Amino acid sequence: EAQVTQNPRYLITVTGKKLTVTCSQNMNHEYMSWYRQDPGLGLRQIYYSMNVEVTDKGDVPEGYKVSRKEKRNFPLILESPSPNQTSLYFCASSQGFGYTFGSGTRLTVV
Amino acid sequence: SQKIEQNSEALNIQEGKTATLTCNYTNYSPAYLQWYRQDPGRGPVFLLLIRENEKEKRKERLKVTFDTTLKQSLFHITASQPADSATYLCALGGGSNYKLTFGKGTLLTVNP
Repeated sequence: EAQVTQNPRYLITVTGKKLTVTCSQNMNHEYMSWYRQDPGLGLRQIYYSMNVEVTDKGDVPEGYKVSRKEKRNFPLILESPSPNQTSLYFCASSQGFGYTFGSGTRLTVV
Repeated sequence: SQKIEQNSEALNIQEGKTATLTCNYTNYSPAYLQWYRQDPGRGPVFLLLIRENEKEKRKERLKVTFDTTLKQSLFHITASQPADSATYLCALGGGSNYKLTFGKGTLLTVNP
């Protein structure tokens, strides 16, 4: 089944403790992206990648890092999480015709 | 700056009626527009894409129109069912980087 897999589904962490949210796709898509979704603000792009070793900032990149060492994986790294990064995160991939989204990661930073 | 507005935060209709959702945009010239469905706590699911040179697209009970002069897209669900209840998002794109900019969505509730 064609899908984007994110892990974990839920995560509660403390301020300043580094964490990684993994994202993997099995469709051989070149494009991958991370979004966060907050009430009243909608989906906002954090980072995206056009291909292996090619990443760029989206609209809200502060406090996040990404890497794209392999085509299928695009992890999101929070080096020092803060409470304002509490949100619902989605990874997505595309080959230019519609995005396929993961199921989401609900992150709470206390 | 670019702005995408979906007509209302919530829309309630009776089963069997046609639901019409609106997406308006400013300061943007998208090459295409997409519609997604999102259920609570789940990722958005792609429904339809319409390009700037297309006026209308259909898929089963769904119909999308795209008016680049009015800077507006209409999304219709005919013969609506309670199972169609969800949040519907419009998204605009067209740059070389495949980026999509999303509206905040309209919560559709279809009452039996």
